[in-house]
Amino acid sequence: GEEVAQTPKHLVRGEGQKAKLYCAPIKGHSYVFWYQQVLKNEFKFLISFQNENVFDETGMPKERFSAKCLPNSPCSLEIQATKLEDSAVYFCASSLTTVNSPLHFGNGTRLTVT
Amino acid sequence: QQQVKQSPQSLIVQKGGISIINCAYENTAFDYFPWYQQFPGKGPALLIAIRPDVSEKKEGRFTISFNKSAKQFSLHIMDSQPGDSATYFCAASREGYSTLTFGKGTMLLVSP
Repeated sequence: GEEVAQTPKHLVRGEGQKAKLYCAPIKGHSYVFWYQQVLKNEFKFLISFQNENVFDETGMPKERFSAKCLPNSPCSLEIQATKLEDSAVYFCASSLTTVNSPLHFGNGTRLTVT
Repeated sequence: QQQVKQSPQSLIVQKGGISIINCAYENTAFDYFPWYQQFPGKGPALLIAIRPDVSEKKEGRFTISFNKSAKQFSLHIMDSQPGDSATYFCAASREGYSTLTFGKGTMLLVSP
């Protein structure tokens, strides 16, 4: 597609429950990025993929967060045992390459942990 | 350590005025500096970007000024319109790396 599609738009989970977010990048884009935007607008980089391979995972809290980009499937971000501080909007972005190629963002998934 | 510092946090400008948002970076390896515009409930959208080989780039009413020696860059919105009211983020990255480091954003309100 021509847009980055993120589902669901909203997700509510009780503390300790699992949350799974999905992202379909723009067709033909090789790179996928996940960012977390907390209440004060700050974007935190989580992880990026080049096709199905992890490209950069320096921002990923590895204890409870995991992500995948498998061929012919939407990419996913999974949070095991959610905590209150995981409440945020999670954005997915995709780009064609890493050179001269802007990031195209989806509209995000708002995760609320109660 | 915040690698990209953005100011002001919020800005109110009269319609037709000039909006100016400033950013400073620390990492000299950064070589790509985009600005993103975000409306409520939407993802950020690329507005304009600059690389350090030029000191200014203009696209319509939007201009980026870049000062490599000072490690600063700024966004100027000329003839600001109410439809420009949004949150603006500066960002920086390294060529071939794409991971953006964002500033904390500036909420712009253009009053009619």
